Amino acid sequence: GAVVSQHPSRVICKSGTSVKIECRSLDFQATTMFWYRQFPKKSLMLMATSNEGSKATYEQGVEKDKFLINHASLTLSTLTVTSAHPEDSSFYICSARDAVGGVESSPLHFGNGTRLTVT
Amino acid sequence: KQEVTQIPAALSVPEGENLVLNCSFTDSAIYNLQWFRQDPGKGLTSLLLIQSSQREQTSGRLNASLDKSSGRSTLYIAASQPGDSATYLCGAGGSYIPTFGRGTSLIVHP
Repeated sequence: GAVVSQHPSRVICKSGTSVKIECRSLDFQATTMFWYRQFPKKSLMLMATSNEGSKATYEQGVEKDKFLINHASLTLSTLTVTSAHPEDSSFYICSARDAVGGVESSPLHFGNGTRLTVT
Repeated sequence: KQEVTQIPAALSVPEGENLVLNCSFTDSAIYNLQWFRQDPGKGLTSLLLIQSSQREQTSGRLNASLDKSSGRSTLYIAASQPGDSATYLCGAGGSYIPTFGRGTSLIVHP
């Protein structure tokens, strides 16, 4: 089945540093990938939609200068948390849909998430 | 704006029981409904996808139904096992980006 690989699975960084999270579709091409943030006992919060070869679309309230998204190829999107602060500590998850096939019939596939802790 | 609600929020049952998890959505203009499983500290694993034109999908002990007109989907788990313990989320796909519920946290005890 389709696999989305997300790295790292866990990262601890100091306040003020930047962290890059990678999301790769391993056996399919994804023109669009999605980045989510998940708080304890809360639903997934969509942060942005990553579009291959163009700028990401950010949801309202998400700072695009803080959460930099790059989707340089059909299999790789990266999320960089710049100048991280403790309030950025969270669980970040990416997802992707196979570019082949219609939206209706193509399931979303998720990475295993990245637990970010900013000290 | 689409809103997705999942009931119950938590469920604890003995092994062997048949279960029904509920998902309701406010906007019936969806293109599909997808059920996921999430283990602690992990991402989401896709279980079943029901297209808007379909009524149900089955995979092993899992059966998911969709009633677009009433804005409801159910996930039926037959003969539950301890390994089924996880959080189950539904995602209602509309405007290309799905909206998720908060999930049902399931514990199946031996």
